Amino acid sequence: RKEVEQDPGPFNVPEGATVAFNCTYSNSASQSFFWYRQDCRKEPKLLMSVYSSGNEDGRFTAQLNRASQYISLLIRDSKLSDSATYLCVVNKDLQAGTALIFGKGTTLSVSS
Amino acid sequence: SQTIHQWPATLVQPVGSPLSLECTVEGTSNPNLYWYRQAAGRGLQLLFYSVGIGQISSEVPQNLSASRPQDRQFILSSKKLLLSDSGFYLCAWSVSWGDFFGQGTRLTVV
Repeated sequence: RKEVEQDPGPFNVPEGATVAFNCTYSNSASQSFFWYRQDCRKEPKLLMSVYSSGNEDGRFTAQLNRASQYISLLIRDSKLSDSATYLCVVNKDLQAGTALIFGKGTTLSVSS
Repeated sequence: SQTIHQWPATLVQPVGSPLSLECTVEGTSNPNLYWYRQAAGRGLQLLFYSVGIGQISSEVPQNLSASRPQDRQFILSSKKLLLSDSGFYLCAWSVSWGDFFGQGTRLTVV
């Protein structure tokens, strides 16, 4: 089983639509969870952290289910500028320190 | 504020040539630093990480090496590039709320 799995998409939605992305992770010891956004040929940028109680940032809502090892991202009222690849990310303890493990990403295309 | 610089932005190198990519961080001390690679159509793969000067750990066996000669400098190197080394190389530094990336180097080995 891959460490972080995502549906690659693409998700093609009209402006104003609500879209949800899902992600599963294999390491039950992971403690930190994030969603990153990556625009074409650019570096990933942190979109939001994901907390056990769920959290919201404007039109974006993230949920975490530790029992199922499942993370979700909901985008409401999609904008053209939301078109990007969304990366699900979990932490992994290393011999010294910790690192982030990235899913391959889900591509979103919002059209007018 | 903390910033991370990475250069060059793009690089085209012949097979068998050496490589040196540099990353520097400003505005913080003793950061955890990382090198990732994103090959075409694939996710980000952790290559190396460093928790301090001279301390390098590798996550995957490969044709590359890393060094940390100064607290805020992280270098990725190769003595002889392979075609399979092509990809988007990203340096990152870590805080508790996530990793922050440099702008990346797009390497094409020809």
